[in-house]
Amino acid sequence: GDSVTQMEGPVTLSEEAFLTINCTYTATGYPSLFWYVQYPGEGLQLLLKATKADDKGSNKGFEATYRKETTSFHLEKGSVQVSDSAVYFCALSPSGAGSYQLTFGKGTKLSVIP
Amino acid sequence: NAGVTQTPKFRVLKTGQSMTLLCAQDMNHEYMYWYRQDPGMGLRLIHYSVGEGTTAKGEVPDGYNVSRLKKQNFLLGLESAAPSQTSVYFCASRPTTEFEAFFGQGTRLTVV
Repeated sequence: GDSVTQMEGPVTLSEEAFLTINCTYTATGYPSLFWYVQYPGEGLQLLLKATKADDKGSNKGFEATYRKETTSFHLEKGSVQVSDSAVYFCALSPSGAGSYQLTFGKGTKLSVIP
Repeated sequence: NAGVTQTPKFRVLKTGQSMTLLCAQDMNHEYMYWYRQDPGMGLRLIHYSVGEGTTAKGEVPDGYNVSRLKKQNFLLGLESAAPSQTSVYFCASRPTTEFEAFFGQGTRLTVV
């Protein structure tokens, strides 16, 4: 079945450092890919998405590019802030009309220190 | 706009007790999900529903039951709580035509 693998955390960075969180997936066809973020004490919210190969999703300074050849969707940010401290989840939804499935990775906890 | 609302937010149960977690969404979404979140395990799907009156098992359904009698509500029941069900439970909903899922704030359940 479909699966998502993310780099294990926790990740601790200093403010203004460069961030990369790796994500690879296993799925048939061309799934849609997502990054969700969970701030302390809250539910998950969509950070960015990409629905086809070579698409780049971006939001709040974060970016991720859908790489079909390497089955990857790595999350990057050039300069992190303390307010970016959260748990980040990579996820996928299979292609096809009416697909209801949403599969998550295990999450990567990011802590940004001043 | 409330989005997805979970009730209650916190609960402590004794082993063997029963309870129902309520999820309500006001976005007219067809799909609804119940996940549990445990340290090191990420999010695991318990049950889901693709429409009013329908339910299906997810990855970890044992010990839970669900019902979707109304489109806007998705109930998760624990008939006889066990300490292994101590977790944070999240409900989510999604329309059929979009991929973004909307999550509730979570219910922190402790079974002692």
